[in-house]
Amino acid sequence: GAVVSQHPSRVICKSGTSVKIECRSLDFQATTMFWYRQFPKQSLMLMATSNEGSKATYEQGVEKDKFLINHASLTLSTLTVTSAHPEDSSFYICSPYGRGETQYFGPGTRLLVL
Amino acid sequence: AQSVTQPDIHITVSEGASLELRCNYSYGATPYLFWYVQSPGQGLQLLLKYFSGDTLVQGIKGFEAEFKRSQSSFNLRKPSVHWSDAAEYFCAVGGSGGYQKVTFGTGTKLQVIP
Repeated sequence: GAVVSQHPSRVICKSGTSVKIECRSLDFQATTMFWYRQFPKQSLMLMATSNEGSKATYEQGVEKDKFLINHASLTLSTLTVTSAHPEDSSFYICSPYGRGETQYFGPGTRLLVL
Repeated sequence: AQSVTQPDIHITVSEGASLELRCNYSYGATPYLFWYVQSPGQGLQLLLKYFSGDTLVQGIKGFEAEFKRSQSSFNLRKPSVHWSDAAEYFCAVGGSGGYQKVTFGTGTKLQVIP
């Protein structure tokens, strides 16, 4: 299966700082990238969808100015949590999708904002 | 809008016993259906998927699922559970076409007792 990496796997930051999460599809070209988050004991919720070279589309209730998504290449997408607050603490998962039928998921990044 | 319901939040089974996890979906056309497993602190792993064809789908780790259109269900089964199967299981539904925007259920946590 395809290999998807996320970096960092865990991050702890102070409230008010920004955190960047990288997602790489290592052996296929991701024309579309989905970003999910998962709060403790809850399911994954889609945050936004981005196509390579285009602006991301955000789900209702997700602040686009707070969660900046860059999908500049077919193998790399980044999610930046700006001015993070404790309520942003969550498990962030990227999901690249390319031509084909299977959607792959990254291993996730656990963010803790103090 | 597509949706997924997993009616069982938590299930406990004895090792060696059979397992069935329930999943009901709502989707306007032919759905793409998935089962994922998430071990504690880990990312998602695809167990199996249904796109078309045979309604009984075989997956990894001895799991299978049956698509029943008349019941809008896609239940996951395993004839004999192993202690290593203890994890959280997510049913998901997605659409066809260029985007694989997947909606997840709330998950069923499986506990396996000796």
